[in-house]
Order: sequence, then C-alpha cells, then structure tokens
Amino acid sequence: AQSVTQLGSHVSVSEGALVLLRCNYSSSVPPYLFWYVQYPNQGLQLLLKYTSAATLVKGINGFEAEFKKSETSFHLTKPSAHMSDAAEYFCAGRFSGGSNYKLTFGKGTLLTVNP
Amino acid sequence: KAGVTQTPRYLIKTRGQQVTLSCSPISGHRSVSWYQQTPGQGLQFLFEYFSETQRNKGNFPGRFSGRQFSNSRSEMNVSTLELGDSALYLCASSLVAGNPNTEAFFGQGTRLTVV
Repeated sequence: AQSVTQLGSHVSVSEGALVLLRCNYSSSVPPYLFWYVQYPNQGLQLLLKYTSAATLVKGINGFEAEFKKSETSFHLTKPSAHMSDAAEYFCAGRFSGGSNYKLTFGKGTLLTVNP
Repeated sequence: KAGVTQTPRYLIKTRGQQVTLSCSPISGHRSVSWYQQTPGQGLQFLFEYFSETQRNKGNFPGRFSGRQFSNSRSEMNVSTLELGDSALYLCASSLVAGNPNTEAFFGQGTRLTVV
C-alpha cells in the first residue's frame, strides 16, 4: 500500500544544533511530497514541496529537504535550530494512480528545541 | 489575500447530536478537502469537493457528509455524534483538483469535543 512513514515521533535538539526529521515513502512511483508544520492549536503550514524539478528543495524558515529515490526518502533538515522551530512536523505525499489525489500523511514528528 | 477560514474554532456537542462545520477557501480556489486529526489516528482524509461535486471520499461512515456551494464554500456535517468523533477537523483549499502537484492550504481547524 502507498504510505508515508516518519521515523521518530519525538525529536529533541539544542538551540543552534542541526535538525533532521526523517520521512520515507512506500510506492513504486515516487509521489509528490510535502512537508507541513503545525503549531499548537493551529492548522498546517506548508514548508516545502518536492515536484521532481530538483532533488534538493528549499523551503521557508531555513528548512530544506532532499529527495533520494534510491532510499525512498525525503528528509527535512535545518542547519541551526531556533526556539521558534518547536512544533509538530508532518510529511505528506500525493500518490499517482487513480483519481484520488488526497494527501497521505505520516504520523508526525514533534520537535522540541532546548535552550 | 485572506487564508482559509474555518468556523467555529471550538465546538462542544453531546453524543447523539449533529454538527455542521464551515470552511471558506482562499479566494479563487475551487477545491476543498476535509481531514480529521486525532492523537491516535493522525491526519485522515474525509472527502474532497470540486465545483460542488464530491470527487473523493475517505473511509469514514455515512454519518460524515459534506457539500460545496457555488461560491466554493464548503460544509461538513456529522450526525449522531460519538465520543470518538472528538477531533480537530481541518479544511484545505487548493486552486484546482486532480493535480497531484497542487499545494493545499489549511485553515486553523475546528476543535470538536463530544461529551
């Protein structure tokens, strides 16, 4: 079945440290992939999206993600964490085939940033 | 440009009652999707509407229904509420439907509590 998996439900980093949030997909054809961020009691905000034009995608707030087909991955990184990055992050994919282009989400990764 | 507006933000209902949630998409967007977010199941697709027609539906019971109006505003209805329907309901709008590359913009959600 086509799915998106996020490894690690909770990641804790120190302020200024590298942020790495992992996302893998399962499908024979790579999906269109998205990263969203959710702050408490808020909706989802799009950070970036992969559309096959480039494997390294830059998003807002200093985040970027690299698509690796051989690893079926789309990990999210940020060189230096800021306190304001503390939130929940969701990886999502739109899979081809059929007419249903719903977003399929991973379970989410809660990022904690320690001072 | 106004974002996606969901009303109300918070709602408390009693088991057995019904509830209607509203979503106004970004101006010019014609596709509206609904998602349910719970701690246990994460983000799950409910349905998608485009040009007043339901295009896709997720795996939810018939108690969950929706509609879209000619101005693209959408409502979802849940009848005979159960405790398990307590969740954050998110609406997302997209410019078009049927394009896997299209971005989805989310509202802040409606927090439904069933007691």
